[in-house]
Amino acid sequence: ETGVTQTPRHLVMGMTNKKSLKCEQHLGHNAMYWYKQSAKKPLELMFVYNFKEQTENNSVPSRFSPECPNSSHLFLHLHTLQPEDSALYLCASSQGVGIGTEAFFGQGTRLTVV
Amino acid sequence: QKEVEQNSGPLSVPEGAIASLNCTYSDRGSQSFFWYRQYSGKSPELIMSIYSNGDQEDGRFTAQLNKASQYVSLLIRDSQPSDSATYLCAVNAGNTGKLIFGQGTTLQVKP
Repeated sequence: ETGVTQTPRHLVMGMTNKKSLKCEQHLGHNAMYWYKQSAKKPLELMFVYNFKEQTENNSVPSRFSPECPNSSHLFLHLHTLQPEDSALYLCASSQGVGIGTEAFFGQGTRLTVV
Repeated sequence: QKEVEQNSGPLSVPEGAIASLNCTYSDRGSQSFFWYRQYSGKSPELIMSIYSNGDQEDGRFTAQLNKASQYVSLLIRDSQPSDSATYLCAVNAGNTGKLIFGQGTTLQVKP
């Protein structure tokens, strides 16, 4: 599986730590996304980037800070997280953001905040 | 609040049977509909896309869309134990790329 790659796969961090999640896509897509999947809850969109520009912020707390240096790379910088932020964080990419665009997911980062 | 509803299950079917998974959505303006399969501990995998009313078939999978009823379904024919997973329905309502997901239906295929 080399389409959308996320690192690390697992991360345990304390509430005072700062860490970053990395995502890289090799599909030639122009749009990238961060989604959050918590237990017993639907997948929830966090951020959308299209051609490196942020086009959607789904009311995400500022302790989550995205960065998209180019269309192939996406980061999620984490600081002063809470235990309730523990979840599976999924990166996705798509050709564009138009109607009908298909999104493909990376393997995810399982985050545990202690 | 745009919503996508699925029965969380589990839906249990015997091997070789047809599994029928259903999804309803609230935004009548929705235009694109997707089914993802997610194995336990893994990420979602796109298995079907459908954009117009009617059926869309791919191998053992058939997606059905009825926009008037705001209803999407996924049929899996000749179900196999390897089909046991959570199936996520997702809806794209506009030109933002944003997908609204249902909670997923867990399918168990018994040998």
